[in-house]
Amino acid sequence: GAGVSQSPRYKVAKRGQDVALRCDPISGHVSLFWYQQALGQGPEFLTYFQNEAQLDKSGLPSDRFFAERPEGSVSTLKIQRTQQEDSAVYLCASSLRTENEKLFFGSGTQLSVL
Amino acid sequence: AQKITQTQPGMFVQEKEAVTLDCTYDTSDPSYGLFWYKQPSSGEMIFLIYQGSYDQQNATEGRYSLNFQKARKSANLVISASQLGDSAMYFCAMRSPNTGNQFYFGTGTSLTVIP
Repeated sequence: GAGVSQSPRYKVAKRGQDVALRCDPISGHVSLFWYQQALGQGPEFLTYFQNEAQLDKSGLPSDRFFAERPEGSVSTLKIQRTQQEDSAVYLCASSLRTENEKLFFGSGTQLSVL
Repeated sequence: AQKITQTQPGMFVQEKEAVTLDCTYDTSDPSYGLFWYKQPSSGEMIFLIYQGSYDQQNATEGRYSLNFQKARKSANLVISASQLGDSAMYFCAMRSPNTGNQFYFGTGTSLTVIP
């Protein structure tokens, strides 16, 4: 596609529900990042993929968060047993290579946990 | 560890004037990239400008320029001839291959352009 696509755009979940957020990066992009952005804050790193390999997951806040990119393209961020503090915008970004290069961002998924 | 500091939570500028948004960074890596992104109220992150640590000249992109002072570890964004559409959050970010190519962001500066 022309840009990074994320779905759904908005997600409302009841506390305790599992959610899955999808990211479709720009075709051919090697690097893929997930970020969490709370209201009024900067994006906080969650995890990073190089192709299908998850090279860094140090930013995932708990073991309820899980991300995968099985074929090196589409990625899914899964949050189990959602809690109110998980409410945030989840941004996905990709870049063509792995070196010092700009990231292209999707529009994000706004997750609200009630 | 990488660190990006943006000390201006909010800035105001008169339309058609220039404004400087501050960014300092901390890294021990010799090779790194510095980036500025704009995030309007719609939420998308828009790339503005890039400066490589080995670049000799300051980067420029249209009305955007980056005042890169390597010894001071400073990478300030200068927006010339401000427009109402420049009102947004602005984030400074850094990426380095020596730290797994993680992309670190500052806390952002909210810019408001006054007509």
